[in-house]
Parts: sequence; structure tokens; C-alpha cells
Amino acid sequence: NAGVMQNPRHLVRRRGQEARLRCSPVKGHSHVYWYRQLPEEGLKFMVYLQKENIIDESGMPKERFSAEFPKEGPSILRIQQVVRGDSAAYFCASSPPNFASTGELFFGEGSRLTVL
Amino acid sequence: AQTVTQSQPEMSVQEAETVTLSCTYDTSESDYYLFWYKQPPSRQMILVIRQEAYKQQNATENRFSVNFQKAAKSFSLKISDSQLGDAAMYFCAYRSAQGAQKLVFGQGTRLTINP
Repeated sequence: NAGVMQNPRHLVRRRGQEARLRCSPVKGHSHVYWYRQLPEEGLKFMVYLQKENIIDESGMPKERFSAEFPKEGPSILRIQQVVRGDSAAYFCASSPPNFASTGELFFGEGSRLTVL
Repeated sequence: AQTVTQSQPEMSVQEAETVTLSCTYDTSESDYYLFWYKQPPSRQMILVIRQEAYKQQNATENRFSVNFQKAAKSFSLKISDSQLGDAAMYFCAYRSAQGAQKLVFGQGTRLTINP
């Protein structure tokens, strides 16, 4: 399967712990996006990254959240000192360098974070 | 900033009938993409159909078609011959063709298919 791979699919954390969510984009894709979906809501943009660069983080909370997309390896969304309000599904999407030709983003199956 | 509005939180349709889901958007740009994504209970986001703003012809994919009204900033999805497998959340989305190419989603419409 050459699609976007996210892990873990399910993650349970207690308040105050750290959560790390991983995303491997489609092979050859150099653009990664993270979205958050609260129950019964739409997907909210968090951050857009290219290899080793954060392009747009306008949707990221100012504190506790960070994201990276290193030269080698998956993209990581890190949430420090989690609170119950962080419980959500986190989706990763990727697009190729020539995104302008199709406009489409390819989504992973999401990681569901539950904070106890 | 661009916004996408889906005014129908829920819709239902009889199997084999036709249903139309509404979507409006707000933008000052002239070049962009519009999408409908389907999210079944598995939560996987599945692309249903795509429309380029510069194309006047409405996109069609098998039983799915759109009514794209650029001047009115409207982008509705029509599902013909509805099937039980069409039951899902449907999200309308906008993506600029320039600048930061993030997708902006609407709130979603939950579609129920009645057998």
C-alpha cells in the first residue's frame, strides 16, 4: 500500500503526558498537512510542512503543539502535556510537488487520541 | 480568508433516489479547486469529485455530479441512484491554486440512505 500511513491508529494518554503522532506520506510526496477533527465536526487545518520546513502553522495552537517533517523519516505531530480537550482524530495528508496539476490531497486513516 | 459553508447538517434519501448536498464558499480568488470528500464510519477521507474553477463544465464521476456556479460561489453535489454504501459524512472543501495550498473544509453533511 503506497498511501499515507499514520500511526498509531489509536493512542490513549493521561492528562499531562505527551502524544506523538507519525505520518509517512505517499512515496514521492514532499508536502504534508495535519488536520484535527473533533467529534461531529469538520476537519480543521493545523499545519503545512515541506521537508525540513514549516510553511504554514496558522492553525496550530500556540502552546504545547509542534510539528516537524525531517529530511529522513516521517512527519511528527507532537502534543505536550495533553489535556482532555486534545481528544480528537488527527489526520495527515500529503500532496506531490506538482500539486497544482490536480489540487488533490491524499489522506491517511487518521490517529484517534483519547486523553483520560 | 476563505470559508466553506454547508448549511445541511443532515440529509436522508431513499435508496435508488437522487439527493443534492449544498455547499457555498467565500473567496476573492479566481483560480482555485473545489472538492467533495466522503467520510464513512471508518473515518477514511475519500475523494468523491473535484472541480477546477477555470472549467465551466461541471465535473461528473459515475453517479456523482456537481453543479458549480462560480458567480454565486455555489458547489452542490448530486448523488443519483443512491446506494446504501453512500451513507457517510460528506465534506465540501476549497483549495487555492496559489499560495499556501491547504484545504479548507465545510462543517459536513451526514447522509443517511433509507432502504
